[in-house]
Amino acid sequence: DAGVIQSPRHEVTEMGQEVTLRCKPISGHNSLFWYRQTMMRGLELLIYFNNNVPIDDSGMPEDRFSAKMPNASFSTLKIQPSEPRDSAVYFCASSFGRNGNQPQHFGDGTRLSIL
Amino acid sequence: DAKTTQPPSMDCAEGRAANLPCNHSTISGNEYVYWYRQIHSQGPQYIIHGLKNNETNEMASLIITEDRKSSTLILPHATLRDTAVYYCIVRVEGTYKYIFGTGTRLKVLA
Repeated sequence: DAGVIQSPRHEVTEMGQEVTLRCKPISGHNSLFWYRQTMMRGLELLIYFNNNVPIDDSGMPEDRFSAKMPNASFSTLKIQPSEPRDSAVYFCASSFGRNGNQPQHFGDGTRLSIL
Repeated sequence: DAKTTQPPSMDCAEGRAANLPCNHSTISGNEYVYWYRQIHSQGPQYIIHGLKNNETNEMASLIITEDRKSSTLILPHATLRDTAVYYCIVRVEGTYKYIFGTGTRLKVLA
């Protein structure tokens, strides 16, 4: 079975550029999560969607960050404009179920470097 | 704030059982305990989860104390490939949110 698919795996870009990260959740899953991992702060939840609707975006650090889920099989996390402190590994995860008890399954992440 | 506490690091001899403890003293009655591991540069990998009863799957066993204030993840025969950071997580009640702590860095020694 295909797991959560993220693209690109690596992204290097210059400060000020727009960055778009992509995620395809596991088919049939109805919740999707975006996380960021850094050495200093560990794994942090940025935003999560349930049935394509953003439920909690309290972890989104600034207005420069935005996330969308136009359909059940695709989500994007966009940073515009990007800054060097946005450098991190960004993970997408998905799960199914109505009450959140089912485990989340993670992709392999996008390693983002902002120069 | 993470709802769990774990030792920062542990060593285990290859072929022996690795027992990773976790305290979650503020857990409420309907909150599950989840275990994940993260091998360097990969995404967190789901291992097992449970509510009250002990659980076992092909990867590990999960022992939850009767008062549910702590649990232990058991890798019955640790291999070098089990070297990773192991996270014990209790989901924030009423939400879908995991809060990851710093985990336990398990090193399996040859």
